[in-house]
Amino acid sequence: SAVISQKPSRDICQRGTSLTIQCQVDSQVTMMFWYRQQPGQSLTLIATANQGSEATYESGFVIDKFPISRPNLTFSTLTVSNMSPEDSSIYLCSVPSGSGTEAFFGQGTRLTVV
Amino acid sequence: AQTVTQSQPEMSVQEAETVTLSCTYDTSESDYYLFWYKQPPSRQMILVIRQEAYKQQNATENRFSVNFQKAAKSFSLKISDSQLGDAAMYFCAYLAGGTSYGKLTFGQGTILTVHP
Repeated sequence: SAVISQKPSRDICQRGTSLTIQCQVDSQVTMMFWYRQQPGQSLTLIATANQGSEATYESGFVIDKFPISRPNLTFSTLTVSNMSPEDSSIYLCSVPSGSGTEAFFGQGTRLTVV
Repeated sequence: AQTVTQSQPEMSVQEAETVTLSCTYDTSESDYYLFWYKQPPSRQMILVIRQEAYKQQNATENRFSVNFQKAAKSFSLKISDSQLGDAAMYFCAYLAGGTSYGKLTFGQGTILTVHP
């Protein structure tokens, strides 16, 4: 299994500002995934972060709003830009197992936008 | 596209009793994996149990077991001898083998309450 450290664990932000969430893995992984979980809802995939190439975004999510960096095989950041109260959610990063048949999650970041 | 459906938004059980959470999925793939995750208020996603589609035998992990009906595309979770610590949101999830490589599709979730 992989150990994933996600920071910050929670934050309260003013609307119009941006927040960058960090995800550090204790081993090299080819892909990292970013999910959003709106209050009381399920997890929705935002994008797949690939090392050395642009992130791949799911329908409904755009790079200008959720820019992602992946500088190496153990680290990724997700930025939530120009925040509004609708961005209040839990954001989680996830990495696959070596075989790709299982997924491990960070502790999640609870974001509240006021 | 694959879909996962959990039709029970909320379930409750008495401590020490048994409860079953339902999940159905839709896929045209033959190689896939199914999971149940537990999410307590701490937000951490905890893997409860995993089932490979090619295995006919139902997976079990201590008090947790699944009823995997491949033809019916059904994947229910049975929790036996329920404990207060089992209270959480439970998500059913699907992962396609091959190119999906760790990318999960989740159901809507079921909130489980355990009464003492």
